[in-house]
Amino acid sequence: GQQLNQSPQSMFIQEGEDVSMNCTSSSIFNTWLWYKQDPGEGPVLLIALYKAGELTSNGRLTAQFGITRKDSFLNISASIPSDVGIYFCAGRVGSQGNLIFGKGTKLSVKP
Amino acid sequence: DAGVIQSPRHEVTEMGQEVTLRCKPISGHNSLFWYRQTMMRGLELLIYFNNNVPIDDSGMPEDRFSAKMPNASFSTLKIQPSEPRDSAVYFCASSLAGQLLYNEQFFGPGTRLTVL
Repeated sequence: GQQLNQSPQSMFIQEGEDVSMNCTSSSIFNTWLWYKQDPGEGPVLLIALYKAGELTSNGRLTAQFGITRKDSFLNISASIPSDVGIYFCAGRVGSQGNLIFGKGTKLSVKP
Repeated sequence: DAGVIQSPRHEVTEMGQEVTLRCKPISGHNSLFWYRQTMMRGLELLIYFNNNVPIDDSGMPEDRFSAKMPNASFSTLKIQPSEPRDSAVYFCASSLAGQLLYNEQFFGPGTRLTVL
C-alpha cells in the first residue's frame, strides 16, 4: 500500500534558526498538504500544494511540491517558540478522497 | 464561522461499555472523515463519507466499530463493546469534495477516549 516517510521524527532547535523537514512517498501524489498540530488540538492546515514544482509560502513557512511528485518539503524560517508542535505531511493520489498522513515531525524550540 | 465540532472532548469508560462519538461537519461540506490517532500508529483513516454515503470503511478495525451519517450535518462513530486498546484520540474532519480542486480537510478538536 501507499506509504509516507516523514523526517526527521523530531527536532530540537534554537529560537531564530531555520527548520527543514520533508516527506517522501512510494506513490505519485496529486496533492501535498502540510498540517500543524498543537497539544490537545486537531491538525490545522498550513499549506496546500497541487502542482509538481509548486512553491507556496504562508508567512515564515514555505513548502514545495517535488517535481517527481513523490516528495514535499516544508521550511520554517526564523523559528519562534510558538512554532512548537507536530508537523504532518499528507498526500492524496486522486483529486478527492482520503489522505495518507506521515508520522509527523515534533518540533521543539528553545527560547 | 464554526469549524468542525466534536463531542465529547474527553470520554472515560470501562471495558465493555458502548461509546458514541459525535461530529458536526462544517456547514456546506459534503465529505466527512473519521480518524484515530495513537502514538504508535499516528493518524489512521477509519472511514469517510461523501454526501452521507460511506465510501471507504477499510480502515475500520473491527465489527465493534460502526459509523453513521444520517444527514449532512451529523455523524457518529460507535464502539460496542469498547476495549482498552481502543484508547486514542478520535478526530473528525470535513471537506468540500467534487469538481473543486481545492478540497482540503479541516479537522475538529478531537475526542480523547480512555477505556479502562
